[in-house]
Amino acid sequence: DVKVTQSSRYLVKRTGEKVFLECVQDMDHENMFWYRQDPGLGLRLIYFSYDVKMKEKGDIPEGYSVSREKKERFSLILESASTNQTSMYLCASSPGTVAQYFGPGTRLTVL
Amino acid sequence: DQQVKQNSPSLSVQEGRISILNCDYTNSMFDYFLWYKKYPAEGPTFLISISSIKDKNEDGRFTVFLNKSAKHLSLHIVPSQPGDSAVYFCAAPKGGNMLTFGGGTRLMVKP
Repeated sequence: DVKVTQSSRYLVKRTGEKVFLECVQDMDHENMFWYRQDPGLGLRLIYFSYDVKMKEKGDIPEGYSVSREKKERFSLILESASTNQTSMYLCASSPGTVAQYFGPGTRLTVL
Repeated sequence: DQQVKQNSPSLSVQEGRISILNCDYTNSMFDYFLWYKKYPAEGPTFLISISSIKDKNEDGRFTVFLNKSAKHLSLHIVPSQPGDSAVYFCAAPKGGNMLTFGGGTRLMVKP
């Protein structure tokens, strides 16, 4: 079974803090993705990576950056958290096919 | 601009009856569609897919219908069970193994 894990299930941060969300997959997948889920908006792609040290912007990259130093790990960074970044963050990986495998999500609250 | 839309944010169905979840899309070049299911506090899991060359795909209690002329697909669950209560997302690939998701429909199956 594919396993995608995320470092925290719940996180509370203050406005202006730097926030790191970590994601690890154990299936040697090339592609990894970061989404945020908001009611009525579905899942919106923030960034994705198709290889180590490679990244591409998704639909809503503003205010975020990513890092992929190792194949199994994809980090999402909020340089200066803001209240409008309060959301559920979902990481996913895929082996180069359309189907994606998701982690359990991190619910981030920015106060 | 969402290329995949789910116009019903919620649906309530009695146990044993049929659940029909709808999805509309704008891009006639989509060659594949997927449905994901998401329970609270869990990541989405892949449920069923359909290729654009087909008009129906069935997997147990789940059937997806595709109407290309109307740019519409639907997920039928029959019979519905309380464990089917979840948020359902339709999705389509938009290149580079990226997916674009609809806004989701929350299904509630009442015992």
